[in-house]
Amino acid sequence: DTAVSQTPKYLVTQMGNDKSIKCEQNLGHDTMYWYKQDSKKFLKIMFSYNNKELIINETVPNRFSPKSPDKAHLNLHINSLELGDSAVYFCASSLRGQPVFTGELFFGEGSRLTVL
Amino acid sequence: AQTVTQSQPEMSVQEAETVTLSCTYDTSESNYYLFWYKQPPSRQMILVIRQEAYKQQNATENRFSVNFQKAAKSFSLKISDSQLGDTAMYFCAFSPFLNTGTASKLTFGTGTRLQVTL
Repeated sequence: DTAVSQTPKYLVTQMGNDKSIKCEQNLGHDTMYWYKQDSKKFLKIMFSYNNKELIINETVPNRFSPKSPDKAHLNLHINSLELGDSAVYFCASSLRGQPVFTGELFFGEGSRLTVL
Repeated sequence: AQTVTQSQPEMSVQEAETVTLSCTYDTSESNYYLFWYKQPPSRQMILVIRQEAYKQQNATENRFSVNFQKAAKSFSLKISDSQLGDTAMYFCAFSPFLNTGTASKLTFGTGTRLQVTL
């Protein structure tokens, strides 16, 4: 059973296209995240949702739009793809409301996006 | 804002030997969490070990242990009896202490690529 699953795992597309990455978690967590890992392996948070509400929105171009239909799903839609969007995008989840919060995130396997 | 620095881009260790990965951080917070995550070639980020800043005792998880020096803002990872399966990128990460009901916001270092050789 995959706890945090992302699809697709690999995505190759042309500049200017629009693409989506989907994420689902079956851990019962109420908070989900998108992180971006660039070519130098640097990981940086992009967004976080709690129970479908956007709670973290880092400085990310408007071309990136997250959507959370329910607390178990968080999708990432990217419009007008650019070369610099090539990266690995990680979905993660955590449980926000537990009595002792550990700060730990549970990550998916990542989605490698290549923009040509 | 917090920063996390890993000064060793790559390291190599022989199987069964011990290796220490360095991490320093900067923060004005008095209470926080520190983590080491492992990213093998499969790409998935896996939690290796966690340390709460208010705990003086260093965390240990089987062959993995940390040396947490709060005053020096240092958080190194020691891997004992290294195994081929330990080959991976290792990321140090920082999170402020969170009240119940707050989202985590990890700040990662740039990673150390560890190669375990025969």
